[in-house]
Amino acid sequence: AQTVTQSQPEMSVQEAETVTLSCTYDTSESNYYLFWYKQPPSRQMILVIRQEAYKQQNATENRFSVNFQKAAKSFSLKISDSQLGDTAMYFCAFMRGVNDYKLSFGAGTTVTVRA
Amino acid sequence: DAEITQSPRHKITETGRQVTLACHQTWNHNNMFWYRQDLGHGLRLIHYSYGVQDTNKGEVSDGYSVSRSNTEDLPLTLESAASSQTSVYFCASSFSDSPGELFFGEGSRLTVL
Repeated sequence: AQTVTQSQPEMSVQEAETVTLSCTYDTSESNYYLFWYKQPPSRQMILVIRQEAYKQQNATENRFSVNFQKAAKSFSLKISDSQLGDTAMYFCAFMRGVNDYKLSFGAGTTVTVRA
Repeated sequence: DAEITQSPRHKITETGRQVTLACHQTWNHNNMFWYRQDLGHGLRLIHYSYGVQDTNKGEVSDGYSVSRSNTEDLPLTLESAASSQTSVYFCASSFSDSPGELFFGEGSRLTVL
């Protein structure tokens, strides 16, 4: 299995501020996908953002953006203008390229947004 | 609306008993997965299926089995429950055309005493 490492178990951020979550991964593949998933306290996991390794441009989805550093095997998530609804556990995940649809997840980072 | 449902949501069982967790999706997704979530480990893949009659082992498959007799269902069976299998179990499904976009169920919390 691919190794995905999230080194920050917990993070806290003030409402309206910015927080950055770190993720590193290990692979010998040249083509792959990276993801950030959000698990709110109600526990249903949802996809936040997806990055394809062959695309140089960093993915963005509204207030969520990534910094993808392929050579460093780093994939961080930035949450801008944090909102109370962003409080959740965030998982970084890796998927190999063509015809391999299973994901490997990191251990997760719990983000708490303070009012 | 299409959805993915798991049952039971909570179960307590005894060591050695057989347990089956159900997963049903109505998206007609070809890919289905079972993960377990444990503190400090994130989600670990137990078994997965890319279509009817196709099943594959994940990284933590010992003591678990699955079968895929139709597109909608992927039941997970613990053949002889052990305390180490106390966990929260998540089922997920996806379309091959949307790589990595998994739709998750709400989870099944299993306690093995």
